[in-house]
Amino acid sequence: EAQVTQNPRYLITVTGKKLTVTCSQNMNHEYMSWYRQDPGLGLRQIYYSMNVEVTDKGDVPEGYKVSRKEKRNFPLILESPSPNQTSLYFCASKLGTANTEAFFGQGTRLTVV
Amino acid sequence: AQTVTQSQPEMSVQEAETVTLSCTYDTSENNYYLFWYKQPPSRQMILVIRQEAYKQQNATENRFSVNFQKAAKSFSLKISDSQLGDTAMYFCAFMKPPGTNAGKSTFGDGTTLTVKP
Repeated sequence: EAQVTQNPRYLITVTGKKLTVTCSQNMNHEYMSWYRQDPGLGLRQIYYSMNVEVTDKGDVPEGYKVSRKEKRNFPLILESPSPNQTSLYFCASKLGTANTEAFFGQGTRLTVV
Repeated sequence: AQTVTQSQPEMSVQEAETVTLSCTYDTSENNYYLFWYKQPPSRQMILVIRQEAYKQQNATENRFSVNFQKAAKSFSLKISDSQLGDTAMYFCAFMKPPGTNAGKSTFGDGTTLTVKP
């Protein structure tokens, strides 16, 4: 089954404790992206990757890091999480950057206290 | 930078009726891609319909159709014969085409649609 898998689905952590949210896709998609969703603000793009070893900043990259060492994985790293990073996070992948459907993961609800 | 505006935070419609969700955007690009996504209470993001800016014909997917007005930078979604399962938040999204900053996407703030029985 074609899917994008995020882990964990839910996470409560403390300020300053490094964490990684994993994202994996099994569709051989070149393009992957991370978004955060906050009430009233829609989805905002954090980082995206056009292919292995190619990553670019989205609209809200501050406080986040990503890596794309292999095609299927695109982890999101919070080196020193802060309460303003409490949010719902989505990973998405698609075939290239053309008019193709993006497949989204199930979301990760992160709470930083 | 691109912006996407959804001016209707909430809407409701009676089952079987038609509803239109509005979306406007701002860009200096001539070619780009536009999408409508649906997010039901399960939080899963589901593609509803997509449009390429260079195509003049409005996209249609079963009960869902768009009114794409490129000059006005408007991309509204029409849902015909509304069903209870259409209850969800709907997001309008813009994506840049291949080229500089290809892959950068911008979403609107969303419209919560409630279909009433």
